[in-house]
Amino acid sequence: QKEVEQNSGPLSVPEGAIASLNCTYSDRGSQSFFWYRQYSGKSPELIMSIYSNGDKEDGRFTAQLNKASQYVSLLIRDSQPSDSATYLCAVNPYTGGFKTIFGAGTRLFVKA
Amino acid sequence: DTAVSQTPKYLVTQMGNDKSIKCEQNLGHDTMYWYKQDSKKFLKIMFSYNNKELIINETVPNRFSPKSPDKAHLNLHINSLELGDSAVYFCASSQGGEQFFGPGTRLTVL
Repeated sequence: QKEVEQNSGPLSVPEGAIASLNCTYSDRGSQSFFWYRQYSGKSPELIMSIYSNGDKEDGRFTAQLNKASQYVSLLIRDSQPSDSATYLCAVNPYTGGFKTIFGAGTRLFVKA
Repeated sequence: DTAVSQTPKYLVTQMGNDKSIKCEQNLGHDTMYWYKQDSKKFLKIMFSYNNKELIINETVPNRFSPKSPDKAHLNLHINSLELGDSAVYFCASSQGGEQFFGPGTRLTVL
């Protein structure tokens, strides 16, 4: 069983729409959760972190965490072609812990 | 201003050779990592160091040997390179979980 699961996509949305990316994890005790964006040929870049249940908003991005259901999601409002990338969900069993487990990523295409 | 840097950016070599990749961070972080990203883009942790001490070694073949001379540097030496070692290797650093990645080293073993 994969520890962090994501739909590989590709997820295609029109420009201006809301893109919804989902992730589930297997370790119920996980404490910290991250979303990274990776453009083709580039390194992963942190865009959101979330540590407690509920929503966390940062500009056009909203991370949602539901520990009871063991899922974390990322919403991108007003999607732009520049948002086209692979989005990696990452989970750490401990806050500030040394091992982060990454999902395989979801490829997002935003059509102009 | 580069936060996490790696050299070289590209590495092309023959099977059986030994090669090294260097990583440096100027963020003052205590923890550094090596990740391998294969052709399917799956990012997998290889090693984690905290204050120069090895914390995580994820069943990586012992042909891979990390070395951390100080908190700001984490190098990766690979002996007897194999075809399956071809991948992009990312160095990262963190302080409290959020990680910052280097630009990656694309290793091609022929």
